[in-house]
Amino acid sequence: ELKVEQNPLFLSMQEGKNYTIYCNYSTTSDRLYWYRQDPGKSLESLFVLLSNGAVKQEGRLMASLDTKARLSTLHITAAVHDLSATYFCAVALVTGNQFYFGTGTSLTVIP
Amino acid sequence: DAGITQSPRHKVTETGTPVTLRCHQTENHRYMYWYRQDPGHGLRLIHYSYGVKDTDKGEVSDGYSVSRSKTEDFLLTLESATSSQTSVYFCAISGMAGGKEQFFGPGTRLTVL
Repeated sequence: ELKVEQNPLFLSMQEGKNYTIYCNYSTTSDRLYWYRQDPGKSLESLFVLLSNGAVKQEGRLMASLDTKARLSTLHITAAVHDLSATYFCAVALVTGNQFYFGTGTSLTVIP
Repeated sequence: DAGITQSPRHKVTETGTPVTLRCHQTENHRYMYWYRQDPGHGLRLIHYSYGVKDTDKGEVSDGYSVSRSKTEDFLLTLESATSSQTSVYFCAISGMAGGKEQFFGPGTRLTVL
């Protein structure tokens, strides 16, 4: 079974600051996904990373994937309050159709 | 947004009663999934389907069954609900193309008293 660990689990940061959320996984995979969830809402897809070295950016968020280290990062640049949410990473096996989720990082951006 | 609906959106039931949750998609995607979300656990896969009448178990399948008689519908049944099945249930769909990205339904909040 594939294990996915995120850290930190909780993150409180001031507006304008930078920070990184880490996602480690236990088994070889080349498919890594990042989702955002607002309180009481569903999950919204942010990034799909499909190869080693993949980097994607959308606004103040940038995601990267290092398949050799089994690590993905979600970097937040100059945080704003609207980024407050819970962020999940998910990994899919190279073969198969199951997705494994991390426990999520609850981000609060303080004005 | 991907066309995924779940019904009901909220349900309160009593221990021992059967419950069926429905997921309906309009995207004609092959794969459909049922997850439960609980604090501290992220999302955990209950069952998934890779085609009509083709289903498989996930990591927390005990106490749940599924059926998929049409491409667009995936049903999750709790044969005899227990309080430990109180949770938020999400359906997701995924296609064959590209990175098989998942799209999620709005969720069903189930409370078992």
